[in-house]
Amino acid sequence: QKEVEQNSGPLSVPEGAIASLNCTYSDRGSQSFFWYRQYSGKSPELIMSIYSNGDKEDGRFTAQLNKASQYVSLLIRDSQPSDSATYLCAVINAGGTSYGKLTFGQGTILTVHP
Amino acid sequence: AAGVIQSPRHLIKEKRETATLKCYPIPRHDTVYWYQQGPGQDPQFLISFYEKMQSDKGSIPDRFSAQQFSDYHSELNMSSLELGDSALYFCASSRTGNQPQHFGDGTRLSIL
Repeated sequence: QKEVEQNSGPLSVPEGAIASLNCTYSDRGSQSFFWYRQYSGKSPELIMSIYSNGDKEDGRFTAQLNKASQYVSLLIRDSQPSDSATYLCAVINAGGTSYGKLTFGQGTILTVHP
Repeated sequence: AAGVIQSPRHLIKEKRETATLKCYPIPRHDTVYWYQQGPGQDPQFLISFYEKMQSDKGSIPDRFSAQQFSDYHSELNMSSLELGDSALYFCASSRTGNQPQHFGDGTRLSIL
């Protein structure tokens, strides 16, 4: 089992809809959580970071964290075709010997169709 | 704003050759990370440096080595290259170990 699991894709939503991306992690010591967007052949681009339980909003993006359930999600409102990409959930466990290392989920491919 | 700079962008090598990838972190970022991403896979952590000292090591082959220099740039040295080393290699930097990491554009390494 991967340390970080994302909901299986691909995910297809119509333009203007809400896209919901989910992620679970296995290490309860995890402290920092990130969502990256990656276009094919390009580098991961930071979308959101979240460190405490609850919601964090930035424009059309909302990240939600529930440490008790070991669950983090990303909502994209008013989805646009330009949002079509692979979304990577990434986790840092700052304890032990894994200081700062990002562990990624397998990614969810999102397609927003006009 | 300045970003992470990697060079070269593309590199073609043959089996058993060596390669050196370079990374220049964002100014005032004290931590550098290297990741390898194979086709259709998520990035895998290789190694990291904090203030020029190795801070963590992941699934990096013994054929690979890396260091961070006094100006904070980092180099990933790869020897005895194998076909399986063909991948995208990303460098990322952050202010501290828990802060968001920002990625460079990557080096696409192809082994013939």
